[in-house]
Amino acid sequence: DAKTTQPPSMDCAEGRAANLPCNHSTISGNEYVYWYRQIHSQGPQYIIHGLKNNETNEMASLIITEDRKSSTLILPHATLRDTAVYYCIVRVYSGNTGKLIFGQGTTLQVKP
Amino acid sequence: EPEVTQTPSHQVTQMGQEVILRCVPISNHLYFYWYRQILGQKVEFLVSFYNNEISEKSEIFDDQFSVERPDGSNFTLKIRSTKLEDSAMYFCASTRDRGIGDTQYFGPGTRLTVL
Repeated sequence: DAKTTQPPSMDCAEGRAANLPCNHSTISGNEYVYWYRQIHSQGPQYIIHGLKNNETNEMASLIITEDRKSSTLILPHATLRDTAVYYCIVRVYSGNTGKLIFGQGTTLQVKP
Repeated sequence: EPEVTQTPSHQVTQMGQEVILRCVPISNHLYFYWYRQILGQKVEFLVSFYNNEISEKSEIFDDQFSVERPDGSNFTLKIRSTKLEDSAMYFCASTRDRGIGDTQYFGPGTRLTVL
């Protein structure tokens, strides 16, 4: 089962920042938090990942709380093309693999 | 930018027929994965593959499924005798290594429709 909890849906006005929360209270010390998104039925698209420190790339910023029990993905200036399902994933390593366990994610609707 | 490719984009087959879904992972990647997503449901892990053998498989990945890396570039998923419930989007993914913090990149998917 997924180790994360996300709200099922959120709305955001175009041009505003979208802040997507995620709870991962059982995360272990060496487990990373990954964010992916899926537009319609396309393949999941990698956005960003982090361990402890806040991270930023050309797509988004990731803010991780000091206790690592929650995080927030920030899309600084949301556009209509950012409408998608956003998945927060704690990557589980077992054996020789690093599979991703997807939950239901948050459906972000960006509105004009 | 390198990307994972998958063919075909849409496959329609009759129940009981064999299908092979093809993927070309990113060229310097060593770990390969298949996931599936039934319409309206979440993305589910099927199998991971490394060094020409299966690393891990889920309960979904039964004897009807097999994976293969027949050459240095392709990675295939075979379903021997398709069932109606195999209808889904199938996504291939690859990663350079399994190191903590490495990133899995997904292909666009193959939509499998079993009639």
